[in-house]
Amino acid sequence: GAVVSQHPSWVICKSGTSVKIECRSLDFQATTMFWYRQFPKQSLMLMATSNEGSKATYEQGVEKDKFLINHASLTLSTLTVTSAHPEDSSFYICSASPSETQYFGPGTRLLVL
Amino acid sequence: LAKTTQPISMDSYEGQEVNITCSHNNIATNDYITWYQQFPSQGPRFIIQGYKTKVTNEVASLFIPADRKSSTLSLPRVSLSDTAVYYCLVGVRKTGANNLFFGTGTRLTVIP
Repeated sequence: GAVVSQHPSWVICKSGTSVKIECRSLDFQATTMFWYRQFPKQSLMLMATSNEGSKATYEQGVEKDKFLINHASLTLSTLTVTSAHPEDSSFYICSASPSETQYFGPGTRLLVL
Repeated sequence: LAKTTQPISMDSYEGQEVNITCSHNNIATNDYITWYQQFPSQGPRFIIQGYKTKVTNEVASLFIPADRKSSTLSLPRVSLSDTAVYYCLVGVRKTGANNLFFGTGTRLTVIP
């Protein structure tokens, strides 16, 4: 199957700082990537759709100015959590799809102190 | 959106066959049915995908009745390492919306 990677796998930061998470499709090109967030013991929640060369589409309730998404190439999307606060601590997962099937990255654990 | 409904949790002994059923009553004509497995602190892993009837691969089988309003993931002879959360998703990538929303999933616990 297709491979999606994320970096970093985990990050700890101070409250008020910004954190960037990268999502890469390693063996296929993806014009669209998706960002999810998952809190402990809960399901994945779609945050936004990242579109190569255009603005991201955010789900209702997700602040676009807080979660900046950039999809600069066909293999890379980045999610920047700006002015992070402890409530932003979560597991962030990206996905991409070369066909009808979505493939997910390994996730990034963010802890904001 | 094609909402999915699954049992919240299931227990099974090692070596048994496990069947997890997902209901998707308002599935659309072009929708595929996809199952994922997720271990703690990992991204979901693709298990199997189908459109109708039966699909089998090296790890699972997927049974889809003629009306496609439900599907059943079958895991043969489960082991302890199959303890995970299993999600079914319904939709088509190109149209986007349906294929992107996760339900509660089924937490499978395999008992020695």
